[in-house]
Amino acid sequence: DAGITQSPRHKVTETGTPVTLRCHQTENHRYMYWYRQDPGHGLRLIHYSYGVKDTDKGEVSDGYSVSRSKTEDFLLTLESATSSQTSVYFCAISEFTNRRYGYTFGSGTRLTVV
Amino acid sequence: AQSVAQPEDQVNVAEGNPLTVKCTYSVSGNPYLFWYVQYPNRGLQFLLKYITGDNLVKGSYGFEAEFNKSQTSFHLKKPSALVSDSALYFCAVRDKGSQGNLIFGKGTKLSVKP
Repeated sequence: DAGITQSPRHKVTETGTPVTLRCHQTENHRYMYWYRQDPGHGLRLIHYSYGVKDTDKGEVSDGYSVSRSKTEDFLLTLESATSSQTSVYFCAISEFTNRRYGYTFGSGTRLTVV
Repeated sequence: AQSVAQPEDQVNVAEGNPLTVKCTYSVSGNPYLFWYVQYPNRGLQFLLKYITGDNLVKGSYGFEAEFNKSQTSFHLKKPSALVSDSALYFCAVRDKGSQGNLIFGKGTKLSVKP
């Protein structure tokens, strides 16, 4: 979707190295989310943000941190990557108004930790 | 705890036949329900949602879903399947206990054979 982009699209990294994934939106939505997708688990919430510098943990937050210094960017950091963090990561934005209520997902980042 | 269940890992349908992908949910109060589709190596695409109103919701690509409160179900349906409908389908419900993130089912792989 044109309103949300993720970078990089693919990354291979070594165990123990730090990794940062970026989510950028042009929609000015308040809420942003990071999910990971794994076979047999669907999508699981890692962290979310409800405003600049306002973030909280999701279901699978261990080993991850996030930052949101401006409305349009939401960064996900793996402080020390492990093989269990090999996954596809999706960012999402959401809007809840009387006219619109929905979520838009980025194209995903495929991360491989070797 | 709030949850979504997709009881079938895979659904196989012949082209031209009707298809159903099942979803049941567990959430307090009135649910906000969503269906997404994911094609291989792609992000999630929105199909339809139920927020309020008519129990039969029509969405993209000829899909529809019926909200059944007594059975806590939100099954996805299409009258005549296409080979191009083959993909991974996710049902999701909005988490009312946090800042509005989606809780996903594990996904159902739909395979439509010619």
